[in-house]
Amino acid sequence: AQKITQTQPGMFVQEKEAVTLDCTYDTSDPSYGLFWYKQPSSGEMIFLIYQGSYDQQNATEGRYSLNFQKARKSANLVISASQLGDSAMYFCAMSSRDSSNTGKLIFGQGTTLQVKP
Amino acid sequence: AAGVIQSPRHLIKEKRETATLKCYPIPRHDTVYWYQQGPGQDPQFLISFYEKMQSDKGSIPDRFSAQQFSDYHSELNMSSLELGDSALYFCASSLSPSAGGWPDTQYFGPGTRLTVL
Repeated sequence: AQKITQTQPGMFVQEKEAVTLDCTYDTSDPSYGLFWYKQPSSGEMIFLIYQGSYDQQNATEGRYSLNFQKARKSANLVISASQLGDSAMYFCAMSSRDSSNTGKLIFGQGTTLQVKP
Repeated sequence: AAGVIQSPRHLIKEKRETATLKCYPIPRHDTVYWYQQGPGQDPQFLISFYEKMQSDKGSIPDRFSAQQFSDYHSELNMSSLELGDSALYFCASSLSPSAGGWPDTQYFGPGTRLTVL
């Protein structure tokens, strides 16, 4: 069975500093995708970044980067130069790429990030 | 760019009533997913459709049903509502790899907040 674990219920970061949100996963599938989503207090779910299990390089999208360590089964999100608008809940999610893949996402418990001015 | 549209955004129902949630995916997207997010919880997969056929089923109560129509919009029908059904219901859409979507990132709608009294 697939599982995503986010061990940090809440995190604080000073504005303009970098922060790392942890995510570990468990799957027996050789092919899978890892996603990070941001959920502000308004409730919408915003896609941030994607990493495929066969991707050789870590994904980057603007201020977001994904520290992918396949052997450790971790996919940590790094946010550089934090902004007040980054305050939100962050979810790590995974979908399988096996032959029976239907693409459904399995989510972690989420990490609440608060950016201090 | 066009996003996923969900209606209504808010819905208040009494116990034992019925509710219908609607989802309009991003144009060209061929796959629709429904998720339920309880208060303080991570989203849980309910059901998905690929090319108007049900492709997967998760923790969806028998009281709920869903379908995808010829124009690709989807509806989630909920009957005999219970207090525990109060949640944020997300619809997400993606373009399948077979149709050229890679990664098949799921883009979420703003959600329908259902309150059962």
